[in-house]
Amino acid sequence: GAVVSQHPSWVICKSGTSVKIECRSLDFQATTMFWYRQFPKQSLMLMATSNEGSKATYEQGVEKDKFLINHASLTLSTLTVTSAHPEDSSFYICSARTLAGQYFGPGTRLTVT
Amino acid sequence: GDSVTQMEGPVTLSEEAFLTINCTYTATGYPSLFWYVQYPGEGLQLLLKATKADDKGSNKGFEATYRKETTSFHLEKGSVQVSDSAVYFCASLLNTGFQKLVFGTGTRLLVSP
Repeated sequence: GAVVSQHPSWVICKSGTSVKIECRSLDFQATTMFWYRQFPKQSLMLMATSNEGSKATYEQGVEKDKFLINHASLTLSTLTVTSAHPEDSSFYICSARTLAGQYFGPGTRLTVT
Repeated sequence: GDSVTQMEGPVTLSEEAFLTINCTYTATGYPSLFWYVQYPGEGLQLLLKATKADDKGSNKGFEATYRKETTSFHLEKGSVQVSDSAVYFCASLLNTGFQKLVFGTGTRLLVSP
């Protein structure tokens, strides 16, 4: 089946620094990729939707200048958390959609100290 | 707006017990409904789906029936195994406009031998 990978799987960074998370579709091309955030015992919250070669569409309440999304190719999307703060600590999940369905990465746990 | 509500966990069962995880939805139209499963350290995987009322999705012994009259999509399995221990997410996808999955909060299932 379709595989989506994320890197890194976990990362610890200091407050004020930036962190980049990569999302790749390994054996298919994804026209649309999604980024979600998951808090403990809570649902997946959609942060933004990105289409290859165009600007991401952010959900209400998500700061586009803080969470930079780049979707440079049909197999790669990146999420950069800029000037991270402890409240940005969370589990970030990417997902890629094709005509066959929507596939999810394993997630990246970000801890900001 | 659209939403999905599912029972809180954890649900703790002994092997071979009967499983029910409740899920209800609200939607302005007639969404497709999904159950995703997340095993430890892995991404969400599609378990089963149903696209219209009275459809029954089934996979790996799990079943769920799309009930429009009760706006429900409860997940059931007749005899759970230890390997079924995971987090289960109910989700809806409205089939008009830009399609975005709406997730429930997830229910953790723990099956003991």
